[in-house]
Amino acid sequence: RKEVEQDPGPFNVPEGATVAFNCTYSNSASQSFFWYRQDCRKEPKLLMSVYSSGNEDGRFTAQLNRASQYISLLIRDSKLSDSATYLCVVRDFGNEKLTFGTGTRLTIIP
Amino acid sequence: NAGVTQTPKFQVLKTGQSMTLQCAQDMNHNSMYWYRQDPGMGLRLIYYSASEGTTDKGEVPNGYNVSRLNKREFSLRLESAAPSQTSVYFCASSEVGRGNSNQPQHFGDGTRLSIL
Repeated sequence: RKEVEQDPGPFNVPEGATVAFNCTYSNSASQSFFWYRQDCRKEPKLLMSVYSSGNEDGRFTAQLNRASQYISLLIRDSKLSDSATYLCVVRDFGNEKLTFGTGTRLTIIP
Repeated sequence: NAGVTQTPKFQVLKTGQSMTLQCAQDMNHNSMYWYRQDPGMGLRLIYYSASEGTTDKGEVPNGYNVSRLNKREFSLRLESAAPSQTSVYFCASSEVGRGNSNQPQHFGDGTRLSIL
């Protein structure tokens, strides 16, 4: 089983719709969680950290479910500029390293 | 606002040639990382350096060496390039440790390396 698993997609979503991704992680000792965004042929960029109580940043909402070991990302009122690959990222307790999922590809359709 | 700077951005090598990928960060971060990204594989850690003077192997270290030259710079060397090392290479840095476990990593633009 992969340490971090994501549905690769692609998700093709009409502009203005709401879309949600899930990601599961295997290590119950994982401590820190992030969503990164990667545009085609570009570097990954931090979208948001994921906190235990859930957090929101504008149209983006991230949630963590430790019991079921998954994190989610919800995008409301999707824009064309949201088209990208979204990477789920996990850091284990006491570990310098991050573990990346393979990403979920999202395309927003006009 | 340079952040993490990688050079070169593109490189084509012949099998058996050697080269060094350079990475520098200006954010005074302690930790630096080298990843490779291949289609369908996601980002895989090659080596990392938790602090100046230390380096550790990641998931896929074979065929690579690294040097943490100082706090700012972390280089990746391919001693004898192989076609399997054709990939996109990303350097990243982070302020991790001292309780800052929620600090993210910041990435450079990447180096697209082709081995013929």
